[in-house]
Amino acid sequence: KAGVTQTPRYLIKTRGQQVTLSCSPISGHRSVSWYQQTPGQGLQFLFEYFSETQRNKGNFPGRFSGRQFSNSRSEMNVSTLELGDSALYLCASSLDGTDTQYFGPGTRLTVL
Amino acid sequence: GESVGLHLPTLSVQEGDNSIINCAYSNSASDYFIWYKQESGKGPQFIIDIRSNMDKRQGQRVTVLLNKTVKHLSLQIAATQPGDSAVYFCAERNTGFQKLVFGTGTRLLVSP
Repeated sequence: KAGVTQTPRYLIKTRGQQVTLSCSPISGHRSVSWYQQTPGQGLQFLFEYFSETQRNKGNFPGRFSGRQFSNSRSEMNVSTLELGDSALYLCASSLDGTDTQYFGPGTRLTVL
Repeated sequence: GESVGLHLPTLSVQEGDNSIINCAYSNSASDYFIWYKQESGKGPQFIIDIRSNMDKRQGQRVTVLLNKTVKHLSLQIAATQPGDSAVYFCAERNTGFQKLVFGTGTRLLVSP
């Protein structure tokens, strides 16, 4: 069974732009969670989607948003990028959110 | 490139030694704990998990111990190998919430 895939793997943007990241969960997994990883803050939870609905949200500004499609694929969007948004964005999938989460390789976003 | 903290606690061991990585968790209501391994440039990889109704669980070469009294979790790796070199994260989850709260991580360096 294929693992979690994320695209693109690397992105370079400038301040003020917006970006969309994509995540395809493991087949059969309906829960997708997003995390931001930075050297200073570590791994922080962004939000979790299940059956196209956001179930949980972390403490991030409204510039960070996401959605999930009927095939469980998920996207996250960051608008009006700031330098501090430079990070590794990780997506994790699980069957229903209460079990083991499996991570993708991440998307490395650099904001210049 | 590496995406984890620059000032992580580091455990240096010789190949063949047993390694013990410790983690203090914060929420006494957490009922699920998980260890991940993250190699440079990759997403976190699931190692082993444990629920709060257990105090020990064993996998292949790894053992997780949970002490709820002092809110402490440890990961023991037997016969450590150079391929075990990575950053190890513990994470906790509260009942009913799907998000994982991650520790800061420990870097394990294994010398041949």
